[in-house]
Amino acid sequence: AQSVTQPDIHITVSEGASLELRCNYSYGATPYLFWYVQSPGQGLQLLLKYFSGDTLVQGIKGFEAEFKRSQSSFNLRKPSVHWSDAAEYFCAVGSLGGATNKLIFGTGTLLAVQP
Amino acid sequence: DGGITQSPKYLFRKEGQNVTLSCEQNLNHDAMYWYRQDPGQGLRLIYYSQIVNDFQKGDIAEGYSVSREKKESFPLTVTSAQKNPTAFYLCASSIDRTRMFFGPGTRLTVL
Repeated sequence: AQSVTQPDIHITVSEGASLELRCNYSYGATPYLFWYVQSPGQGLQLLLKYFSGDTLVQGIKGFEAEFKRSQSSFNLRKPSVHWSDAAEYFCAVGSLGGATNKLIFGTGTLLAVQP
Repeated sequence: DGGITQSPKYLFRKEGQNVTLSCEQNLNHDAMYWYRQDPGQGLRLIYYSQIVNDFQKGDIAEGYSVSREKKESFPLTVTSAQKNPTAFYLCASSIDRTRMFFGPGTRLTVL
């Protein structure tokens, strides 16, 4: 079955500290992988995406993610967290093949940033 | 500005009522989607439409209905058959597999 797992429901980091949010996927076809961010009561904003090529992808707001096929992972990282990064983060997977553009989302990781 | 609009932002429904959530996009995207978001459950797909006059059930379609009469509009009706409709509803659109754009959401509360 296709699925996305974000094992950390809630993470708290200090401002200026590094951040890594975990994402593992199970997908039979070659995956597209995405990270989205959601501020409270808002829609989702795309941070970055991976389709092929370089397994380390850069996104907006200083975020990056690394695709590791052997581990079925696509972890999100940021070297120095800012207070404005406090939000909920969603990993999602889609398919290069098939008839639809559906995405499957993880359950999200809520990030809190301490001053 | 191009984008997706959802209205209303907040919606209250009495038990037994049908309500319709609006979703409009001016991005000229063929595909549109409705997701439901509940705390701790991420986003679950309700319905999607890849082209005008065609739509498909997602993972949790029971108690919901949609129409796609125009490319730019994809309204969602939450019927009285939906037993637990209180949630945050997100509409999205895409032109291909590379990116999905989301609206700001509608929070539905059943009184």
